Order: sequence, then C-alpha cells, then structure tokens
Amino acid sequence: GAVVSQHPSWVICKSGTSVKIECRSLDFQATTMFWYRQFPKQSLMLMATSNEGSKATYEQGVEKDKFLINHASLTLSTLTVTSAHPEDSSFYICSARDRISGISNTQYFGPGTRLTVL
Amino acid sequence: GNSVTQMEGPVTLSEEAFLTINCTYTATGYPSLFWYVQYPGEGLQLLLKATKADDKGSNKGFEATYRKETTSFHLEKGSVQVSDSAVYFCALIVNTGGFKTIFGAGTRLFVKA
Repeated sequence: GAVVSQHPSWVICKSGTSVKIECRSLDFQATTMFWYRQFPKQSLMLMATSNEGSKATYEQGVEKDKFLINHASLTLSTLTVTSAHPEDSSFYICSARDRISGISNTQYFGPGTRLTVL
Repeated sequence: GNSVTQMEGPVTLSEEAFLTINCTYTATGYPSLFWYVQYPGEGLQLLLKATKADDKGSNKGFEATYRKETTSFHLEKGSVQVSDSAVYFCALIVNTGGFKTIFGAGTRLFVKA
C-alpha cells in the first residue's frame, strides 16, 4: 500500500529557532500534499495545500511567513516552522494524494511529527 | 457549507461489545466519505471509504454504509477488541476548487478487557 513517511518523528527546539519537517511519499508520486496541525484531543486542522512545483495554498489564519512550505518534487514536501515559539508546539501531520489515482481522492497520512518548543 | 458531525466521546465498551459511532454530514455536491483511525502517538490510517450512495466500506471487521437519504456514514463493528482502542475520525472530500478533506472532531474509543 501507499506509504508516507515523516522526519523527524519528534523534535524539541529552543524558542526562536527554525525547524524543518519532511514529508515523503515512498512508493508513489504525489502532486498534492497537505499539512495539518493537531492539538491534543482535537481534530486535524488543515494548514495548507502543497502542489508540486508551485506555491502552497494556505488556509485562512495560517501565517505563510511562519510556516514555509516547499514541494520541490513529486515525492517530497517540507514544512519549516520559522522562529518557533512555545505556542507552535503541536503534532504536525502531512498527507499525500496519489497522482495516478487522484480522482479516487484517497489521502495517505504520515505518522506525524511532534514538535515541542521550549 | 461542508461539515462533518460525529458523536461525542469518549465511548467506553467492554471487549466483544457492539460498536456504533454515528457520523452525519452536510455537503455541497457529492462527497466521498471516509473513516480514519488514529492510534496513540501515531498519524491517521485510512480504515474504510465509500464513494457513492449505498456503498458499504469495510475493513478489519468495521463497516459503514453511505446513506445519502439520511446523510450519514455510521461506523459499526460487531465485536470490539482492546486493540481497537483509538480515536476514530469521520471525514468527507468534496471538490471545492480543489479536493479538501473535512474531518469530524473525532471520537475516542476505549475498550476494556
């Protein structure tokens, strides 16, 4: 089956530093990847939609300068949290849609990255 | 607008009990419907899906039927196990200038031995 990986699985950083999270589709090509944020015991909040080779589309209320998204290839998207602060601590989850079966609308989710900002 | 409403949790059951988690939706257009499961500390896994009315999605003993007339997609399992303890998310996808997944709030299930 389709597999999406994320790296790192968890990260602890100091306030003011930047953190990059990678999302990879391991056995399929993904023209579209999604980045979500999940607070404890809550649902997923879509942050942005990332399309290969073009700028990401951010949801309302998400700061594009703070959450930089790059989708440089059909198998890799990155989310960089710039100048991280404790309120950015969260569980970040990416998902990818298979380019070939895009019409089926099935998304494959990564295992998530837990970010803790001290 | 598009939205998904799930029954509030947590749901606590004994092993081998029957499970129902209700899910209803509102959507402009014809959505595809999904159930995802999230085990502690992990990302989401697709559990089952249905893409048209009266379709039944099933996997690992779980099943849900796409009911257009009642706009529902209730998740059921005849006999739960302790290993089914997780958070279950109902979701839909519609094409609103791009295919976005809209999630319900999630329902936490605890199964006691």
